[in-house]
Amino acid sequence: DAKTTQPNSMESNEEEPVHLPCNHSTISGTDYIHWYRQLPSQGPEYVIHGLTSNVNNRMASLAIAEDRKSSTLILHRATLRDAAVYYCILRETTSGTYKYIFGTGTRLKVLA
Amino acid sequence: DAMVIQNPRYQVTQFGKPVTLSCSQTLNHNVMYWYQQKSSQAPKLLFHYYDKDFNNEADTPDNFQSRRPNTSFCFLDIRSPGLGDAAMYLCATNFGTVSNQPQHFGDGTRLSIL
Repeated sequence: DAKTTQPNSMESNEEEPVHLPCNHSTISGTDYIHWYRQLPSQGPEYVIHGLTSNVNNRMASLAIAEDRKSSTLILHRATLRDAAVYYCILRETTSGTYKYIFGTGTRLKVLA
Repeated sequence: DAMVIQNPRYQVTQFGKPVTLSCSQTLNHNVMYWYQQKSSQAPKLLFHYYDKDFNNEADTPDNFQSRRPNTSFCFLDIRSPGLGDAAMYLCATNFGTVSNQPQHFGDGTRLSIL
């Protein structure tokens, strides 16, 4: 299974942008990059995903390196509600369906 | 409305006493996953069902089994729980063949072993 590596923790001030990095040097050509976040006592929540091109949605942006060996999740203006563990995940194709391999996650602390 | 429902949210069992955790979904997804998440760790995939086809991860202990009687329900059975099996167990679903659909997670069942 391909793996992802992330910093254990990061801090940001409220209302400032946050860039959460992820390395996935063993990614294969068909693996999608997914990001989820997990609030305390809840299941992970989908944030964004992409394959090769940069992606934007209402929650965040995803910047993918040209060689696809790394990516960065961008929260444009961090709020206190964005404090969570952010997981960078590779979605692998297996047996006609997909499985999701979680990275170690980055705990984001947002300072008021 | 919750789309992936796990019951109960908290489960306590005794060492060695079989326990079953349940997951139901209203999304009509054909893939259902079970993850184990220990304290301060990332979720670890145990197995998944694609329709009725069961796919076990290579390092999932034999103590863990699963059943999927229909599209909506999936169960995780732990035959003889040990202290090391205390964890949060997460269920997730998605459409297996639609590439742009994300996984949907339940809020998990936290299992304690006495």
